[in-house]
Amino acid sequence: QVQLVESGGGVVQPGRSLRLSCAASGFTFTNYGMHWVRQAPGKGLEWVAVISNEESNEYYADSVKGRFTISRDNSRNTLHLQMNSLRPEDTAIYYCAKSGSGYYYAFDSWGQGTLVIVSS
Amino acid sequence: DIQMTQSPSSLSASVGDRVTITCQASQDISNYLTWYRHKPGKAPEVLIDDASNFETGVPSRFSGSGSGTNFTFTISSLQPEDTATYYCQQYDNLPLTFGGGTKVEIK
Repeated sequence: QVQLVESGGGVVQPGRSLRLSCAASGFTFTNYGMHWVRQAPGKGLEWVAVISNEESNEYYADSVKGRFTISRDNSRNTLHLQMNSLRPEDTAIYYCAKSGSGYYYAFDSWGQGTLVIVSS
Repeated sequence: DIQMTQSPSSLSASVGDRVTITCQASQDISNYLTWYRHKPGKAPEVLIDDASNFETGVPSRFSGSGSGTNFTFTISSLQPEDTATYYCQQYDNLPLTFGGGTKVEIK
């Protein structure tokens, strides 16, 4: 059974950094692209970033490009999101999600999310 | 970027009603479209991928259709547990993009 468990959320001041993690289990982690998706309060879902299975490709939404870095540790089945220069508009629940196939596809599994609040 | 226009943004219907949600892509995405259901406080769950392909375990009252730029999601007989927000999402090209969501409530 696929499990994705996010951690690392919290309250942080604007301009500071935070690192999210997602522990994956129940599937062969190295076979799939992995994503981060977020939902700001009262808003819809927004795709944030993707990393390919062997870490050779990354892609970011324009809203986070240059500030966020997605990475993965295939030896530990863990996905990360390093968030720098945080802004109030980055306040959201952050979900990690598994690609149903390959680099990017429909997400067939999601974590429960971790809340990030950017506020002074 | 591919824009996904979803409508309506919300609807209220009675148990047993047929409910239809539409999603329009700003360019041809073939059938690279999925539908998710998102209940408050829960993880989103995939219902349909490749525009019309059921995911395992999804009730048969959910269905999807369309290709190119116009897509439809239907709940044939609305049930109380269907109260949620539904999203379409294209995966034809990066960046992946979602529709704005449709909040479905029971009248």
